[in-house]
Amino acid sequence: KQEVTQIPAALSVPEGENLVLNCSFTDSAIYNLQWFRQDPGKGLTSLLLIQSSQREQTSGRLNASLDKSSGRSTLYIAASQPGDSATYLCAVDPSGGSYIPTFGRGTSLIVHP
Amino acid sequence: KAGVTQTPRYLIKTRGQQVTLSCSPISGHRSVSWYQQTPGQGLQFLFEYFSETQRNKGNFPGRFSGRQFSNSRSEMNVSTLELGDSALYLCASREVSNEQFFGPGTRLTVL
Repeated sequence: KQEVTQIPAALSVPEGENLVLNCSFTDSAIYNLQWFRQDPGKGLTSLLLIQSSQREQTSGRLNASLDKSSGRSTLYIAASQPGDSATYLCAVDPSGGSYIPTFGRGTSLIVHP
Repeated sequence: KAGVTQTPRYLIKTRGQQVTLSCSPISGHRSVSWYQQTPGQGLQFLFEYFSETQRNKGNFPGRFSGRQFSNSRSEMNVSTLELGDSALYLCASREVSNEQFFGPGTRLTVL
């Protein structure tokens, strides 16, 4: 059974810092990995999708990497801003076409001015 | 393109009642998945529909059911509500790229 762990569970940083959020998974037989952000009481917003054949994806100040062999993904946020405050979740889709993703519990990020 | 929409946004019900939630996917997306999110359990997969057929099902009791219509809109139903069903219910749609797009959720409170 796939297990997804996100470390740290919570993070509080001053504005302007570069951040690394971690996501680890136990079964490397994945189809893709997706990063989301969630604001309190809201739905999830897709940030980046990495296919299993890819090593990284970038969007603006965000960069996500994937190392299937070690079961790890990192989300790098450059020059953090207060508007980045949210919970960040990663989700792993298994290979084999089951389309049942496994989500981590998320990293709660606060960026203070 | 319009995003995923869910109605209603908020619901208050009492134990024993039943509830129906609705989800309209992004135009062209044929897959719709439903999730339950609670502080204690996190995000849990309920079921997924593709072209009007349930393709995958999570580990939830039979009180939770769903369906999908020919226009890809989906509904989920929870019968005989329990206090523990209070949660944020999220639906997500996707197309062949498999990137999931989520709706804003329905906040269900069971009293």
